[in-house]
Amino acid sequence: KQEVTQIPAALSVPEGENLVLNCSFTDSAIYNLQWFRQDPGKGLTSLLLIQSSQREQTSGRLNASLDKSSGRSTLYIAASQPGDSATYLCASNTGNQFYFGTGTSLTVIP
Amino acid sequence: NAGVTQTPKFQVLKTGQSMTLQCAQDMNHEYMSWYRQDPGMGLRLIHYSVGAGITDQGEVPNGYNVSRSTTEDFPLRLLSAAPSQTSVYFCASSPRGAVSTEAFFGQGTRLTVV
Repeated sequence: KQEVTQIPAALSVPEGENLVLNCSFTDSAIYNLQWFRQDPGKGLTSLLLIQSSQREQTSGRLNASLDKSSGRSTLYIAASQPGDSATYLCASNTGNQFYFGTGTSLTVIP
Repeated sequence: NAGVTQTPKFQVLKTGQSMTLQCAQDMNHEYMSWYRQDPGMGLRLIHYSVGAGITDQGEVPNGYNVSRSTTEDFPLRLLSAAPSQTSVYFCASSPRGAVSTEAFFGQGTRLTVV
């Protein structure tokens, strides 16, 4: 069974800092990996999807990388803003199922 | 665009009661799924469907039933609610299966079983 781990569980940074969220997975036979944002009491919003053949994807201030062989993905957030405060989830897709990490709770302090 | 719509948003049940959580999508997606989210455990797959008339079990299917009579709807039925089913439930859909496409999630149903 795929195990997905996200480190750190919580992170607090001052506004303007660049930061990296980490995601690791045990089974490298994935089809893709997706990063989501979840605000308190809300659903999941897709941020970036990286196919297994890709190394990275970028959207605005977000950049996600994927290293299948080492079972790792990172989400880089540039110039963080208070509006980035949320929980960030990564999910690996091994077929008809996404396996989720427990998330990193990010607080950006004004 | 409505996307993935879940109803109700909140529900309180007594132990032993049954109910159906509704999920509808208007994007003509073939693949739909149900997850539950519990503190410290991440989201776990309950059931999924790759098309109308086809369903399969996920990681935690016990106590839940599903059916897929149309492309748009994928209801989740709790047969006899138990306190262990207190959770937040999310429905998701993808265009052509989960294999290589992006998943879209509903806003969730927060269920409490007392």
